[in-house]
Amino acid sequence: DQQVKQNSPSLSVQEGRISILNCDYTNSMFDYFLWYKKYPAEGPTFLISISSIKDKNEDGRFTVFLNKSAKHLSLHIVPSQPGDSAVYFCAASAGGNKLVFGAGTILRVKS
Amino acid sequence: DAMVIQNPRYQVTQFGKPVTLSCSQTLNHNVMYWYQQKSSQAPKLLFHYYDKDFNNEADTPDNFQSRRPNTSFCFLDIRSPGLGDAAMYLCATSKTDRDETQYFGPGTRLLVL
Repeated sequence: DQQVKQNSPSLSVQEGRISILNCDYTNSMFDYFLWYKKYPAEGPTFLISISSIKDKNEDGRFTVFLNKSAKHLSLHIVPSQPGDSAVYFCAASAGGNKLVFGAGTILRVKS
Repeated sequence: DAMVIQNPRYQVTQFGKPVTLSCSQTLNHNVMYWYQQKSSQAPKLLFHYYDKDFNNEADTPDNFQSRRPNTSFCFLDIRSPGLGDAAMYLCATSKTDRDETQYFGPGTRLLVL
């Protein structure tokens, strides 16, 4: 039973345009959400997070939006750069330190 | 730089032959985690240590064990690897068990022949 789903295995975007990565979850107890970025041959690195008491969190080019009623969150990257090409994982926590991950979305930014 | 280190990066073992994967950290974090990630799937938590307290996930097979001899090191032991255990094994740390942000090592890719 996948509690966190990233339904798009891959996404291709032109440099300078917006990248939108989506994530859906089923567990209404999740109250904290994170995005991780992974380059080949490296471990996932923390990118941005959002608490369930917010609906938006912004950090430079990266913004995460949370829609609790739809159990949906998205990561927006504006403008997209070739260095953003990586695998992006969505993760969720129901309080505390245990994370449930999605399967990831491969983002390719074309120059 | 403070980091999470995993050795080896690639490990080949034979069916049924015990294997140990190693993780060390210089972050001085209290919590260490082991995840299994199969191709195109989500990382799956196997277990974690909060200090010396071991926390096993309910669906982690008995074939998987872990040891944490000190704050810096944590080991994953696979007693009798099967072909289905071939995967990327990721080690991660967090400061406390209330801290959602985890810091990952580069992973060890295990191949079972």
